[in-house]
Amino acid sequence: DQQVKQNSPSLSVQEGRISILNCDYTNSMFDYFLWYKKYPAEGPTFLISISSIKDKNEDGRFTVFLNKSAKHLSLHIVPSQPGDSAVYFCAASGNAGNMLTFGGGTRLMVKP
Amino acid sequence: DGGITQSPKYLFRKEGQNVTLSCEQNLNHDAMYWYRQDPGQGLRLIYYSQIVNDFQKGDIAEGYSVSREKKESFPLTVTSAQKNPTAFYLCASSYRDKKGTEAFFGQGTRLTVV
Repeated sequence: DQQVKQNSPSLSVQEGRISILNCDYTNSMFDYFLWYKKYPAEGPTFLISISSIKDKNEDGRFTVFLNKSAKHLSLHIVPSQPGDSAVYFCAASGNAGNMLTFGGGTRLMVKP
Repeated sequence: DGGITQSPKYLFRKEGQNVTLSCEQNLNHDAMYWYRQDPGQGLRLIYYSQIVNDFQKGDIAEGYSVSREKKESFPLTVTSAQKNPTAFYLCASSYRDKKGTEAFFGQGTRLTVV
């Protein structure tokens, strides 16, 4: 049973437009959420996070929104750039233990 | 410079052979993980360890073994029992602070069975 799901395996966006990547979770004990970015043949790198006490966190072109009632979070990238083309993983952790649970990833392609 | 190091970056194995992938971290993290990524797929958890001398199976542990004798090291052995070992392997470590848990990844090892 996947506790963290990214239902869109891929997304294609024009350069300059907004990219919206979505993530759903089922475990109500999750209290911290992260987005990681991964290029081919490299390890994922941390992008942005949000605590369950907030509903929005912004860092430059990247904003993460959390809707706890819907158990849904989204990553917005504005404006999208070709260098943003990568696989994005959503991850979640709870207050019990030190484990991160990852979603299956969404491949973002930003076209020039 | 703190970080997590995987070696080698590329590894070739003959069918029927065991092979060990190295993962070392100097971040003083308690928890370490091994993931496997196949083309077009997400990250699948093989094994994880939350403390020295203890580890747990993940979703796809069959054909793999690990050890955690030191906090800094979490080697993964791909045994001959693993039916389809060709993949990209990622090691990670994590810590938890008052905000939550954050993981750091190595650069990965690409294993190819020849």
